[in-house]
Order: sequence, then C-alpha cells, then structure tokens
Amino acid sequence: GESVGLHLPTLSVQEGDNSIINCAYSNSASDYFIWYKQESGKGPQFIIDIRSNMDKRQGQRVTVLLNKTVKHLSLQIAATQPGDSAVYFCAEKIGNNRLAFGKGNQVVVIP
Amino acid sequence: KAGVTQTPRYLIKTRGQQVTLSCSPISGHRSVSWYQQTPGQGLQFLFEYFSETQRNKGNFPGRFSGRQFSNSRSEMNVSTLELGDSALYLCASSWIPGTSGGAKNIQYFGAGTRLSVL
Repeated sequence: GESVGLHLPTLSVQEGDNSIINCAYSNSASDYFIWYKQESGKGPQFIIDIRSNMDKRQGQRVTVLLNKTVKHLSLQIAATQPGDSAVYFCAEKIGNNRLAFGKGNQVVVIP
Repeated sequence: KAGVTQTPRYLIKTRGQQVTLSCSPISGHRSVSWYQQTPGQGLQFLFEYFSETQRNKGNFPGRFSGRQFSNSRSEMNVSTLELGDSALYLCASSWIPGTSGGAKNIQYFGAGTRLSVL
C-alpha cells in the first residue's frame, strides 16, 4: 500500500484467527459503503459493500457490519490468512459516485 | 475481462512541468473517477467523468484537470507541477447506466501511476 511515512493503525493477527477492522464515517446521509483492500504496489481492491438499509452483509470469509446510530462500520475477516496482509480502507459514497475514504488500517498476519 | 489500465506506471518530473496520465476503464464502464493517494492525506477524490462530462470535482486547484473521451478512456493533467503533487494517482471505473445499487456502484481501481516531482 501507500503507507510509507504514515503511521497507520496496525492490527497484528495470528494466522487462522479472526480479524476485526473498525471505521467511523462522517456523513449520516451516506447510503452506501465499501471496504477495499490495498496490497503493496497495487490499487485498492473491492472486498464487500453494504447499503444503509442493511446492518450486516456477508461474503466469502468477510462480514461487514453497519451501525448507523453511531456511524460505525466494521469488517470481520474469518480465519485470517497471510494473503490478507494489506491496508484496509472503508469508503462512503457521498454525492454522485464520489467516494470518501478513511485513513486505512494495516493488517499484519503472523504465520 | 481486462481490468482498469493506467499508464504510465511511473513518472519523474521536475517542478513547473506538466504531466498527463491515462486511464482505460473496464470495458462497458462509463464512469471514471480519479483519486490522489499520499501518505499524509490518504486517498482523496479529484474528479469524476461520465459520458465525457465532469460530474463531480474534489477540492483540488485548477492545475488539476481531466477529460473523458467517447470510448470512456480518461486522461488527467497536472500543470505547473509542485513538489507536493508527488503521489500515487489512481483511476477507478464503474458502470452507471440504470444505477440502482448493487454491483453497478462498485468502483474498480487500476494499479495507479506513481508520480515523483523533483
């Protein structure tokens, strides 16, 4: 990712354990949220999305939870693997097809 | 289906020069958005184009501009480069027609163009 020089919150997790990454968003009117994963030297990769009329959505090994009351998103990764090591960004859609990204969280998987 | 392609991958320029970056979206996608990524500011929205028209613009100076062609390919230009323009510039494409949520809203990113201004 592009974290050189930036101190990102870092989650160190043992391989096989579950990971939880948290994100606070700012706009209570946002109706669409996305989680992206960015590996070093690559662009952000879509993981999972959720609309504001839902509070939970599950994908393959990932679950996103949305709490609109406190404007909070979380991403849960089950059975974390070495390939999950990356920077994870939450994003909210503001306006017409414009995303506002969080600062990112670094996940380090310990084999 | 090929992903979003950005060229060049790396660029080195000097202050005062101008630069043009190119983005080819996923086939069929009609919206192209540009973002700047830096260690200090993270990912910031530059602008979005749809059907050759700029629909959204972020808080960047007028030195940053873009355009979209009839085949949905897009270019962005930065004039009078400053040291602070050094960044990873990312392009994302999505499919807008008949948007009603779901996969049509997802923005797919290219690998980016790494611009270094000396």
